[in-house]
Amino acid sequence: DQQVKQNSPSLSVQEGRISILNCDYTNSMFDYFLWYKKYPAEGPTFLISISSIKDKNEDGRFTVFLNKSAKHLSLHIVPSQPGDSAVYFCAASVGNSGYSTLTFGKGTMLLVSP
Amino acid sequence: DVKVTQSSRYLVKRTGEKVFLECVQDMDHENMFWYRQDPGLGLRLIYFSYDVKMKEKGDIPEGYSVSREKKERFSLILESASTNQTSMYLCASSLRGPATNEKLFFGSGTQLSVL
Repeated sequence: DQQVKQNSPSLSVQEGRISILNCDYTNSMFDYFLWYKKYPAEGPTFLISISSIKDKNEDGRFTVFLNKSAKHLSLHIVPSQPGDSAVYFCAASVGNSGYSTLTFGKGTMLLVSP
Repeated sequence: DVKVTQSSRYLVKRTGEKVFLECVQDMDHENMFWYRQDPGLGLRLIYFSYDVKMKEKGDIPEGYSVSREKKERFSLILESASTNQTSMYLCASSLRGPATNEKLFFGSGTQLSVL
């Protein structure tokens, strides 16, 4: 039972254009969502997050949108740069207790060409 | 910056061997995690620990155990390695708190091959 779904295994975008990475979830208890970025031979790094009380969070070129009714979130990268080429993982968690675990999607490989 | 160090980058073991994967973090984080990453399957949680000597099963704990004797160190143990445990293993840590629990800091990973 895949609770966090990234249905696009890969995405190709030209430099300077917008990249939109999508993520769907099925567990209505999820209330915190994150995006992680992973380069080959490195561990994932935290990129941006959003709480379920918001519908948008922005950090520089990166914006995450959350549509709770559709159980859908997306990551927008504007403008895209070749250095953004990586695998992007969507993740979700329940609650803000003393500890919480993340459920990850399978990832989307983004390729930004010059 | 937080540093999460995994002892080996690449490891080759034989079926049936006992395998230890070590992870150390230097930022006094309470929470530590072990994930495995497989092509087409994403990141799956094996075990986690929210305090010294505490451990909790993740989604795929079968065939694994863990040890957390000190706050900074979290070890993953494959009791009897099997070929289906060939994978990239990722250790992570996070600071306990409502705004920080989920912001994991990952190590660079250990690519384990079981022959």
